[in-house]
Formats: sequence, C-alpha cells, structure tokens
Amino acid sequence: SQQGEEDPQALSIQEGENATMNCSYKTSINNLQWYRQNSGRGLVHLILIRSNEREKHSGRLRVTLDTSKKSSSLLITASRAADTASYFCATGILQGGSEKLVFGKGTKLTVNP
Amino acid sequence: KAGVTQTPRYLIKTRGQQVTLSCSPISGHRSVSWYQQTPGQGLQFLFEYFSETQRNKGNFPGRFSGRQFSNSRSEMNVSTLELGDSALYLCASSLTSGGPTDTQYFGPGTRLTVL
Repeated sequence: SQQGEEDPQALSIQEGENATMNCSYKTSINNLQWYRQNSGRGLVHLILIRSNEREKHSGRLRVTLDTSKKSSSLLITASRAADTASYFCATGILQGGSEKLVFGKGTKLTVNP
Repeated sequence: KAGVTQTPRYLIKTRGQQVTLSCSPISGHRSVSWYQQTPGQGLQFLFEYFSETQRNKGNFPGRFSGRQFSNSRSEMNVSTLELGDSALYLCASSLTSGGPTDTQYFGPGTRLTVL
C-alpha cells in the first residue's frame, strides 16, 4: 500500500475556482512536500512543510499538515488554466536505514478556461 | 543557474540490453537522486548519491546501479533490461546535505522504452 495517497485522483474545475487536494500517509515523517508535474515532464517543487509545522503559504498555495491524522491538504486559490497538471504529495521518511522521498499516485487537476 | 539536465531524453532498447542514463545536477548541488515513474507503480525512489557515495537506496534489484563523479554528475545503469523497465527515469538534485528528503529539483527525465 502507498505511504502517501492523494484524493481525489482527478479534479476538474473552472478557472477562478479554488482546488483542494488531500494527501494521507501511514508512517511518521520528517517533512511533507507537494510537487507539480505537467504532462510527461519533470516535477516542480511547490512547497515543503516540516512535521512541526501546521500551515504554510506560498503565493496562491496553502498547505496544511495534521500529523495526528497523518494528512495534508493543498489548496490552490483562484485557479488558472496554467495550473492544469498532476499534483503529488511526497513524504520524507526513514525506512530500512535509508532516507527517501515517497510519492503518492497524484491528483490530476484540470482547470477549464 | 542552469537546471538539472538529463541525457538522452528518449531511448529505445531491446530486452537483455543494458542502458546508461546521465544526469548533471544544478551547479553547487551535491546530492543526486534517481526515480522511476511508471503508470502502474507511480514515482519510486531508486537511490541517492552524495559525495560520490551511494547514501540511500530504494527497493530495486541489483540490475539498477549508479555512480557519481567528483563534479557531482551522476549516471544510472540498468543491465539486462526487461519490458517492465520501460519508464520515465527522473533525476533530482538538492542543495543541502539532507539529501533525498530535502527539496528536490528535478530534470526533464529520460523516457526509456524496452521492446
């Protein structure tokens, strides 16, 4: 089973609306990160939130982290067509003596003009 | 600063062959990580190199190996290719010594197709 799982798997909204994506994870984490990927390309880092932080903002992005519920959410406000992409949460964990970033399967966001 | 570069961008190989992929990190970044992305398994961590040493590794068979040079450039090798190795291989570098759990800067990827 996935360490990080995003919900929903797909989201379609109109330009100007807000988009909310959720991420749940299973084990304790060092940090949680959100990345964006445009079709078949490399990932772009959006925001990193540490395990002792509860909320973080960056431009139109707001990320929350609830370690008691092992969940995080990414809010994109006033969405634009250019926000159309897949969004991944990634948890920084220590597993089997190795540190690694474990990605979820992603939420595919479509913003319609 | 130039971003992370990967070569080649596309590659077609046949089963049983081997392949070497190359990654040049952002100047000044010393940690380089490799990921495999497939539709079925998603993004999976392969390994991370720091100062020419493999520091962290994922759960991939020994056919997947890598190395890092003194200029931080890294190569990944896959031997005895299987159909299931078809994937987008992504390289990422990070600035701090924290390695794979720090902010990752990704390259555009190498699309490997195994026939």
